[in-house]
Amino acid sequence: EIVMTQSPATLSVSPGERATLSCRASQSVSGHLAWYQQKSGQAPRLLIYGSSTRATGIPARFSGSGSGTEFTLTISSLQSEDFAVYYCQQYNDWPPWTFGQGTKVEIK
Amino acid sequence: QVQLVESGGGVVQPGRSLRLSCAASGFTFTNFGMHWVRQAPGKGLECVAFIWYDGSNEYYADSVKGRFTISRDNSKNTLYLQMNSLRAEDTAVYYCARSPNGGNYLDFWGQGTLIAVSS
Repeated sequence: EIVMTQSPATLSVSPGERATLSCRASQSVSGHLAWYQQKSGQAPRLLIYGSSTRATGIPARFSGSGSGTEFTLTISSLQSEDFAVYYCQQYNDWPPWTFGQGTKVEIK
Repeated sequence: QVQLVESGGGVVQPGRSLRLSCAASGFTFTNFGMHWVRQAPGKGLECVAFIWYDGSNEYYADSVKGRFTISRDNSKNTLYLQMNSLRAEDTAVYYCARSPNGGNYLDFWGQGTLIAVSS
């Protein structure tokens, strides 16, 4: 099973600042990496798939990069609606499909 | 618009059974594989079951294998999760989610239904 590890667990950022979230896989997942956003009390929403492709309707301030075992989600200028928990997920080697434990982006 | 609506959640005693449903609309159901994903209170996400677009293959997390069964009725655009021998650790919000092109990322999720296993 591929283990996904996200860092940091919590990221405190001021509105308008840049946020950089990391995700590491225990073995290569090539570019088969997705990012999800989950706001409190809501279902997760797909942000990024294929490591760097934004899903439909996702603002350009969200960008993804990386391949192999190291991946990054960047939010270029945090808006109030971006404070949430973010999960990475690999779909290169399944089953199982595995998620990271999440990074909470909170207001500084 | 795309909709996935889960139902069937509630409070159930340990050892009992429950069946969840997920009604799909706004897209061609038979073009997508479907997942059940759960989230225990305050915890992360776990894919517990997946079924191929035509129902030809199913996959289960080790934590539910032998107790849960995923199925779909493509004539009714509905996904199911039959949960038997429920345990306290199965307490979670259960989401259905669709996956394009087979077992890939999950591009749309339902709002979830809460299962609480408690005596």
